Amino acid sequence: GDSVTQMEGPVTLSEEAFLTINCTYTATGYPSLFWYVQYPGEGLQLLLKATKADDKGSNKGFEATYRKETTSFHLEKGSVQVSDSAVYFCALSGGQGFSFIFGKGTRLLVKP
Amino acid sequence: GAVVSQHPSWVICKSGTSVKIECRSLDFQATTMFWYRQFPKQSLMLMATSNEGSKATYEQGVEKDKFLINHASLTLSTLTVTSAHPEDSSFYICSAHQGEQETQYFGPGTRLLVL
Repeated sequence: GDSVTQMEGPVTLSEEAFLTINCTYTATGYPSLFWYVQYPGEGLQLLLKATKADDKGSNKGFEATYRKETTSFHLEKGSVQVSDSAVYFCALSGGQGFSFIFGKGTRLLVKP
Repeated sequence: GAVVSQHPSWVICKSGTSVKIECRSLDFQATTMFWYRQFPKQSLMLMATSNEGSKATYEQGVEKDKFLINHASLTLSTLTVTSAHPEDSSFYICSAHQGEQETQYFGPGTRLLVL
């Protein structure tokens, strides 16, 4: 079945460092891909999405490109801030009823 | 953007009692809502898909008599944890699917602690 694999965390970076969180997927169809962010004690917020191959989603300095050839949707940010500390979930949608499949999440900790 | 609320945000109850959690889409109509459960430092586990006006579809291993879901209107779905036990303590998150869009919008979550 469909699945999402994320790099395991925690990822610890210094402020202004470059961030990459890897995400790969397996899917039988043509899924849409998403990154969600979860701050401590809160629900999930949509960070960005891409609905077809070669689309680039971007928001708040984060970006990810839908790579069909490598089945990947890696999240990147050029310069992280302390406020970016959170858990990031990669997800795909494409099944019946628009159900989502989430990766296990990657915890990011940014130190001043 | 679309806003989804949950109530309550926190609930502490005694073992054996029932707890109702509400999920509302505030500025859009949601034909489909989803209920997830999240254990500490883990990903979200889909519990059930709730469709307005019909019975919920439960994921394998989720007891439908334990977790009652009602989706009575296009803006409200409720999850009732019946006869709660300490092992039901968790973070419950709902999401709503808007129209033709695939994006799900998540509520802020409800933390349940069963003593």
